[in-house]
Amino acid sequence: GAVVSQHPSRVICKSGTSVKIECRSLDFQATTMFWYRQFPKQSLMLMATSNEGSKATYEQGVEKDKFLINHASLTLSTLTVTSAHPEDSSFYICSARVGEGYNSSPLHFGNGTRLTVT
Amino acid sequence: AQSVSQHNHHVILSEAASLELGCNYSYGGTVNLFWYVQYPGQHLQLLLKYFSGDPLVKGIKGFEAEFIKSKFSFNLRKPSVQWSDTAEYFCAVLNSNSGYALNFGKGTSLLVTP
Repeated sequence: GAVVSQHPSRVICKSGTSVKIECRSLDFQATTMFWYRQFPKQSLMLMATSNEGSKATYEQGVEKDKFLINHASLTLSTLTVTSAHPEDSSFYICSARVGEGYNSSPLHFGNGTRLTVT
Repeated sequence: AQSVSQHNHHVILSEAASLELGCNYSYGGTVNLFWYVQYPGQHLQLLLKYFSGDPLVKGIKGFEAEFIKSKFSFNLRKPSVQWSDTAEYFCAVLNSNSGYALNFGKGTSLLVTP
């Protein structure tokens, strides 16, 4: 089946530094990828929609200058948390859909990245 | 925007008990609904989905869900749970306003005891 690979799975960084998270579709091309954030014991919150070759679309309340998204190819999207602070500590999950249409297939999810900012 | 709510946050069942997890959606138009499962330490996996047609949807691992339009519900069921069903379960709805991303409910943590 479709596989979405996310790297790293865990990262610890110091406050003020930047962290890059990669999301790759391993066996399919994804023109659109989605970035979610999951707080402990809570649901997944959509942060942004990443579009290949164009700017990401951010959800309300998500700082686009803090969470930089780059979707440079049909198989790779990156999320960079800039000037990270402890409140950015969270579980970040990416997902992608095979095919163009929304009903072509469900979303496939990466394993997530646990970010801890000290 | 389309949203879903899950009422049961924590459920504890004994093996062989029947399971029903509630999910209600808010949108009155056409909805596309999903149930995902997240086993400890693993990524989200699709259990089943409803787009149209037969309101009783059968998924993997013996799970099913029924779309009841009059009740705005899409409850997940399994006749007899196993210890291996211990996981987090998320109901989700397709969001046409966000590039067809999914909006998730808060999740239900299911613990199945031997």
